[in-house]
Amino acid sequence: DTGVSQDPRHKITKRGQNVTFRCDPISEHNRLYWYRQTLGQGPEFLTYFQNEAQLEKSRLLSDRFSAERPKGSFSTLEIQRTEQGDSAMYLCASSPTSGGEYYNEQFFGPGTRLTVL
Amino acid sequence: QKEVEQNSGPLSVPEGAIASLNCTYSDRGSQSFFWYRQYSGKSPELIMSIYSNGDKEDGRFTAQLNKASQYVSLLIRDSQPSDSATYLCAVNGVTGGGNKLTFGTGTQLKVEL
Repeated sequence: DTGVSQDPRHKITKRGQNVTFRCDPISEHNRLYWYRQTLGQGPEFLTYFQNEAQLEKSRLLSDRFSAERPKGSFSTLEIQRTEQGDSAMYLCASSPTSGGEYYNEQFFGPGTRLTVL
Repeated sequence: QKEVEQNSGPLSVPEGAIASLNCTYSDRGSQSFFWYRQYSGKSPELIMSIYSNGDKEDGRFTAQLNKASQYVSLLIRDSQPSDSATYLCAVNGVTGGGNKLTFGTGTQLKVEL
């Protein structure tokens, strides 16, 4: 299976700790996205990369959040000084840049469920 | 007004019936429209995409788009219990939004035996 993968699948941490999540996109996809989803809500956009360039970041994203995609392949999302309100499912998605009208179909990984105690 | 609106449901239909899920969006600049299926505790799975007015069929699924009315719908024919899930409507190309998807809150579908 060559879908989007995420690690870890679950993370429990104490308030104030730092956490880092990893996302490996579908190999031929140049675009990578991070979303956050809380119970009863749709996914909420956090940030977006094309290759290694971070092209967009949500205005809602606290400066405690940082994302990287150093070689244009996998990406990491770090949350510093976690708060209980950070508890959510963190989703990564990827999409190709070629393929005509299908270029912005986004495919999601299994997600990382974060619980902040 | 929310950018993408869906009725949260639950929408209950009997097995074998047609389920109709609806979504409205606020930004006329929206260009691409997607339906995702999400089982409880799992991540969203893309099931349909539509880009131009009209209908698009894929197996038991039909997506319908009306840009003038800012309305997109998903029809599921011959509904099965395995179709019970939350269906998320997502819109791309919202003005100033780049390539991000803006999601509705989802409609929970229950297919009853």
